Amino acid sequence: DGGITQSPKYLFRKEGQNVTLSCEQNLNHDAMYWYRQDPGQGLRLIYYSQIVNDFQKGDIAEGYSVSREKKESFPLTVTSAQKNPTAFYLCASSIEGQGGQPQHFGDGTRLSIL
Amino acid sequence: AQSVAQPEDQVNVAEGNPLTVKCTYSVSGNPYLFWYVQYPNRGLQFLLKYITGDNLVKGSYGFEAEFNKSQTSFHLKKPSALVSDSALYFCAVSGGGGYNKLIFGAGTRLAVHP
Repeated sequence: DGGITQSPKYLFRKEGQNVTLSCEQNLNHDAMYWYRQDPGQGLRLIYYSQIVNDFQKGDIAEGYSVSREKKESFPLTVTSAQKNPTAFYLCASSIEGQGGQPQHFGDGTRLSIL
Repeated sequence: AQSVAQPEDQVNVAEGNPLTVKCTYSVSGNPYLFWYVQYPNRGLQFLLKYITGDNLVKGSYGFEAEFNKSQTSFHLKKPSALVSDSALYFCAVSGGGGYNKLIFGAGTRLAVHP
């Protein structure tokens, strides 16, 4: 079945540590997105990519980094500069980066601080 | 600036009764509107979208939504609620343009009681 796979499901970060969240899709979608979900705040866009080797900052990119070396993969690194990383992180993809296309979501990674 | 408001943090309804989850939006130009549902510790699932055409949109699991341009609303409805409909519901808007950036509301928790 086609879909989006996020791993790990749960992740713990120590102070000063960088951690990387994996997102893989086999839907052949061009566009991919990373969101952060906090209780009562909905989803906020961290980074997005419309095509391989290109990505753009979203609304809350500080303290995060991404890469898009392959169409299928869009890993997110939470750096030590992100002082409040505890959240539920969701990866999504869509057919193309144009309005009107629904985004398809993975099942998320829950990041906590040790 | 684009924005989405979901005025109710929680909606309670008895099983078998009709349900409505409210959403209003603000966007320049013609909006693309979406509803998603989220079950605990899962990603978002696409329910339905409005792009253009008929103001009443039908989606998955018996849900429908009515687009009202004059009231800038896109309320989610279902004629007969099920206990299994209990979940977190998100309204989202895209203003079209260069890419599929979605702005999400804060979410409404639907509780259907037996």
